[in-house]
Amino acid sequence: DADVTQTPRNRITKTGKRIMLECSQTKGHDRMYWYRQDPGLGLRLIYYSFDVKDINKGEISDGYSVSRQAQAKFSLSLESAIPNQTALYFCATSDPGTGPDTQYFGPGTRLTVL
Amino acid sequence: GQNIDQPTEMTATEGAIVQINCTYQTSGFNGLFWYQQHAGEAPTFLSYNVLDGLEEKGRFSSFLSRSKGYSYLLLKELQMKDSASYLCAVRGAGYALNFGKGTSLLVTP
Repeated sequence: DADVTQTPRNRITKTGKRIMLECSQTKGHDRMYWYRQDPGLGLRLIYYSFDVKDINKGEISDGYSVSRQAQAKFSLSLESAIPNQTALYFCATSDPGTGPDTQYFGPGTRLTVL
Repeated sequence: GQNIDQPTEMTATEGAIVQINCTYQTSGFNGLFWYQQHAGEAPTFLSYNVLDGLEEKGRFSSFLSRSKGYSYLLLKELQMKDSASYLCAVRGAGYALNFGKGTSLLVTP
């Protein structure tokens, strides 16, 4: 089984709808991250969480919110989706206690907002 | 802030060697990562450098010069499956990884 899973893997929605993307991990890592990837722009950090009680904004948090329900679960919400939020979304986890705090990525969610 | 530059595209021949460069400007430095990403898939970790010099891992090696703000990823004995995007990411003074836009490598027969 994959260590980092994301649901759904693909989603098409309409402008104005509320959307939640979910991330679960079995790696036992405390740190979790949400990124979006757009062609030509690379990966950009939306939010990150260093533990259940710690949530921080990343580079592009406007229009997004997150919830860290447990060590293993980190959800990303779009309260009112807009077309420029169409992108590939990745969740990642890391453990600063082991080596260089390498981030390990989930398989991604492809979101299309019409 | 951070500025990370890498070439947009490269092409190389199966069996050859290719070097992918990454230059960066950062306030503080706490390591440089290389990731491989096949189209539509998750980035996967390749290598990490925090001290100057060369790190070798099988067919892949990564080099770092902190004084020059420069790194490269060297891929030897190229295989068709090496066709992918290669992402350079720098950790600055804080926690976050800042990613370059990636280099799309095409390996041809």
